[in-house]
Amino acid sequence: SQTIHQWPATLVQPVGSPLSLECTVEGTSNPNLYWYRQAAGRGLQLLFYSVGIGQISSEVPQNLSASRPQDRQFILSSKKLLLSDSGFYLCAWRGTGTLYFGPGTRLTVT
Amino acid sequence: AQSVTQLDSQVPVFEEAPVELRCNYSSSVSVYLFWYVQYPNQGLQLLLKYLSGSTLVKGINGFEAEFNKSQTSFHLRKPSVHISDTAEYFCAVNKAAGNKLTFGGGTRVLVKP
Repeated sequence: SQTIHQWPATLVQPVGSPLSLECTVEGTSNPNLYWYRQAAGRGLQLLFYSVGIGQISSEVPQNLSASRPQDRQFILSSKKLLLSDSGFYLCAWRGTGTLYFGPGTRLTVT
Repeated sequence: AQSVTQLDSQVPVFEEAPVELRCNYSSSVSVYLFWYVQYPNQGLQLLLKYLSGSTLVKGINGFEAEFNKSQTSFHLRKPSVHISDTAEYFCAVNKAAGNKLTFGGGTRVLVKP
């Protein structure tokens, strides 16, 4: 069966520091992968999605970036965090027309 | 582009009472529809989905939803809720041939004893 992992589970970072969140999927190959952010009062916002290694589509212009160095690995990064980057970050993979979500990373920028 | 509206941001309900969460969508093409549940500080868990076929869809935990194409709705129902159903519920839509899932704003359900 397929499983999706995210780490870290929680993170507290100062403004201006870098960020790296990792997502990996097991039990499937060449999945579509997604990063969503859930910020207070703003619902779920699609940030990036990827249909294959090295292929990234950005949905929202911002100081975040994503990379897919391996088939089942999806990384969300920032060079300098802003207060507005605080939120709950969710990775998901797509199988049979359905998105399956990971456990999420709670990011607090101070 | 598709969009999803969840008409109620919060729904208080007593234990063992029925609950209905409303969801309306807009799209010019065929869509897939989903309901997810999120417990505090957890990821989203799929409750049920409509891809094709019967318009009445049964999901986990006793939930069901009905796809109504003419009213562009996909309302979620449960005949008798439990305290453990306290959570946030999200309706979502995906173009049938598309890659991206669009979510509604969510409905917080608070089940009271």
